[in-house]
Amino acid sequence: RKEVEQDPGPFNVPEGATVAFNCTYSNSASQSFFWYRQDCRKEPKLLMSVYSSGNEDGRFTAQLNRASQYISLLIRDSKLSDSATYLCVVRWATGGFKTIFGAGTRLFVKA
Amino acid sequence: DVKVTQSSRYLVKRTGEKVFLECVQDMDHENMFWYRQDPGLGLRLIYFSYDVKMKEKGDIPEGYSVSREKKERFSLILESASTNQTSMYLCASETSGPGYEQFFGPGTRLTVL
Repeated sequence: RKEVEQDPGPFNVPEGATVAFNCTYSNSASQSFFWYRQDCRKEPKLLMSVYSSGNEDGRFTAQLNRASQYISLLIRDSKLSDSATYLCVVRWATGGFKTIFGAGTRLFVKA
Repeated sequence: DVKVTQSSRYLVKRTGEKVFLECVQDMDHENMFWYRQDPGLGLRLIYFSYDVKMKEKGDIPEGYSVSREKKERFSLILESASTNQTSMYLCASETSGPGYEQFFGPGTRLTVL
């Protein structure tokens, strides 16, 4: 089983749609969680951290479910500019530290 | 403004050549990373460094080595390039906790012929 798993997609949605991505992780000792965004032919950039109580940044909402070991990202009112690959990232620190990137979920938003 | 730079955007090398990829960050970060990214496989960690002269193997270190002589510079070395090392190579540096945000360089597209 991969340490971090994501549905690769692609997700094809119309502008204005709401879309949700899930990500599961295998290490229950994971401590920090993130969503990164990667545009085509560009480097990944942090979209948002994911906090235990869930958090929102404009149209983006991230949630963490420790019991089921998954995190989610919800995008409301999708824009054409949201088209990108979304990477789920998990970090743990036991006897050192390790950061694992998921393979990413591809999103296409259509006019 | 945060910045991570990589020495080349595109590189073409021949099988058996020794290849150096350099990464420089200007944020005084202690942790630096080298990844390769291949379609369908995502980012895979090759090596990371948590301090000058300190390094740890990642998930796929075979065929690679690293050097960190100064805090701001982290180099990836392909001792004898092979065709299966054709890939996009990304360097990153990381803020200290609690944020642990990684900042990436623009990447080096390496082709080994």
